[in-house]
Amino acid sequence: EAGVTQSPTHLIKTRGQQATLRCSPISGHTSVYWYQQALGLGLQFLLWYDEGEERNRGNFPPRFSGRQFPNYSSELNVNALELEDSALYLCASSSRLAGGEAQYFGPGTRLLVL
Amino acid sequence: GESVGLHLPTLSVQEGDNSIINCAYSNSASDYFIWYKQESGKGPQFIIDIRSNMDKRQGQRVTVLLNKTVKHLSLQIAATQPGDSAVYFCAEATGYSTLTFGKGTMLLVSP
Repeated sequence: EAGVTQSPTHLIKTRGQQATLRCSPISGHTSVYWYQQALGLGLQFLLWYDEGEERNRGNFPPRFSGRQFPNYSSELNVNALELEDSALYLCASSSRLAGGEAQYFGPGTRLLVL
Repeated sequence: GESVGLHLPTLSVQEGDNSIINCAYSNSASDYFIWYKQESGKGPQFIIDIRSNMDKRQGQRVTVLLNKTVKHLSLQIAATQPGDSAVYFCAEATGYSTLTFGKGTMLLVSP
């Protein structure tokens, strides 16, 4: 069974640009989560999507947004990029709406903002 | 333990030893807990989970212990191997909430 996939693996942008990151969940999983992991720090929750709806949002500005498509894949968009947005962006999926189910992570997209 | 900035708590062990990684969680209402392993340059990998109606759960070479009285979670790794070297994160959830991750502990296993 294929795991969570993310693309691209690496992304280099300049300040002020927009970045789009993509995620495909494990087959059968309907929930997709996005996390930011800055260098040397823990995982900071960004967004949770399930069945195409945004279910929860972390403490990030509105320029971080996303969506979930009918096939449960998801996109994370970061507008007006700032230097401190440089981080590993991780996507995870789980099998049902309720929390309390294990989330399985992809390999991440490393975003570098110059 | 708690990490400060870039400095993760680090546990150094010899190959073959048993390792115990600890985690203090913050929410007494949390009812679901997970341990993840993250190797350098990779996404976190699920190790084991436990619900609050249990105080111990065992997997292959790993055991998770939950002490709700003092809000403490531990991961025990038996016969630690060099391939176990990684950063280990605990995470907690309450009901329908999302996971909240701890700051991580680095495990270094020397041959």
